[in-house]
Amino acid sequence: DVKVTQSSRYLVKRTGEKVFLECVQDMDHENMFWYRQDPGLGLRLIYFSYDVKMKEKGDIPEGYSVSREKKERFSLILESASTNQTSMYLCASSFRGFSNQPQHFGDGTRLSIL
Amino acid sequence: AQSVAQPEDQVNVAEGNPLTVKCTYSVSGNPYLFWYVQYPNRGLQFLLKYITGDNLVKGSYGFEAEFNKSQTSFHLKKPSALVSDSALYFCAVRDRDTGFQKLVFGTGTRLLVSP
Repeated sequence: DVKVTQSSRYLVKRTGEKVFLECVQDMDHENMFWYRQDPGLGLRLIYFSYDVKMKEKGDIPEGYSVSREKKERFSLILESASTNQTSMYLCASSFRGFSNQPQHFGDGTRLSIL
Repeated sequence: AQSVAQPEDQVNVAEGNPLTVKCTYSVSGNPYLFWYVQYPNRGLQFLLKYITGDNLVKGSYGFEAEFNKSQTSFHLKKPSALVSDSALYFCAVRDRDTGFQKLVFGTGTRLLVSP
């Protein structure tokens, strides 16, 4: 089974802090994704990456950056955390070559910015 | 642009009754369609997908979905609901013809199955 592991289930940070969310997958997937989930808004794509050191902006990239130095690891960075970034963050991965393949998700990080 | 609509925020059904969770989509080309389920404090789990071929797709936990091209719908169904099916359900679409890997998700439908 595919395993996508997010480093923290719950995280509390302060406004203005630099925040790192880590995600690791064990299935040699080329694609990795970061979403945020908010009630009534569903999942919104922040950034995705289809290869090491490659990244593409999603629908809501403002205030975020990402890093992919190794194939299995995709990091989401909040440069200067703000209260409106309080949310559930979900990481996902998938094979690149077959777009009919599902994305596999981690269990999420519930981030609170105080 | 791709989009997905889940018109019901919540669906209530009694245990043992059939359930339907609705989804309609919009893509410029041909769709790949997916259903995911999310249990409390967990990530999304893949249930089933439509790629091509048979319009009735069977998936995990007894769920199935019917693809209807003329109505651009992909409704999730189960003949007999269980209390343990209570969860948040997401429909998602990808445009097969553009080659993009990006999925677009609906806003989710909460299913509540009462004993």
